[in-house]
Amino acid sequence: NAGVTQTPKFQVLKTGQSMTLQCAQDMNHEYMSWYRQDPGMGLRLIHYSVGAGITDQGEVPNGYNVSRSTTEDFPLRLLSAAPSQTSVYFCASSPLDRVGYEQYFGPGTRLTVT
Amino acid sequence: QKEVEQDPGPLSVPEGAIVSLNCTYSNSAFQYFMWYRQYSRKGPELLMYTYSSGNKEDGRFTAQVDKSSKYISLFIRDSQPSDSATYLCAMKNNQGGKLIFGQGTELSVKP
Repeated sequence: NAGVTQTPKFQVLKTGQSMTLQCAQDMNHEYMSWYRQDPGMGLRLIHYSVGAGITDQGEVPNGYNVSRSTTEDFPLRLLSAAPSQTSVYFCASSPLDRVGYEQYFGPGTRLTVT
Repeated sequence: QKEVEQDPGPLSVPEGAIVSLNCTYSNSAFQYFMWYRQYSRKGPELLMYTYSSGNKEDGRFTAQVDKSSKYISLFIRDSQPSDSATYLCAMKNNQGGKLIFGQGTELSVKP
């Protein structure tokens, strides 16, 4: 049981490049979400999903796309990277009836956009 | 004004001290109150959660919620160097899955 896994751990992009951050969980959780963490800002919700085929926007969705084709995977796509997207990105999953108070985070992806 | 406010610290205490970490909030619809612990360069892990008002105790940790004052606290008794981490409060209402996090308080417990 690996929990929530994220790849890559580190990434450096140039402005304008695109990339996909991968997230997978093996706990059969319906709810998955992406956060970004910036100094002094806490964790801010980017996008979330309550099940395969269903996604919705969080607080800071601009510049990011998501899709959920399976229960296990929830990739985050940066369409055209900008320096303002330099951050640490965390994926999390939760049973749908215990969202928030039983939430498991991945180890994070540190992204730098130059 | 942010919905959830948390003093970022850093907070430095000697080993064995009682630590008090706090958050204030403005949204009276919040019903679930969580505390997460995050070690350096790791993902957050859920420490405790409380539904509505009251206290909850788990070993050396006690979570308190005062909805009338819109104020939550986490107390750590007999603090240990292994408690050195950033502590984040988080809240949500009854509908939907959006958690609102505080900025996190960095705690250092010195031996």
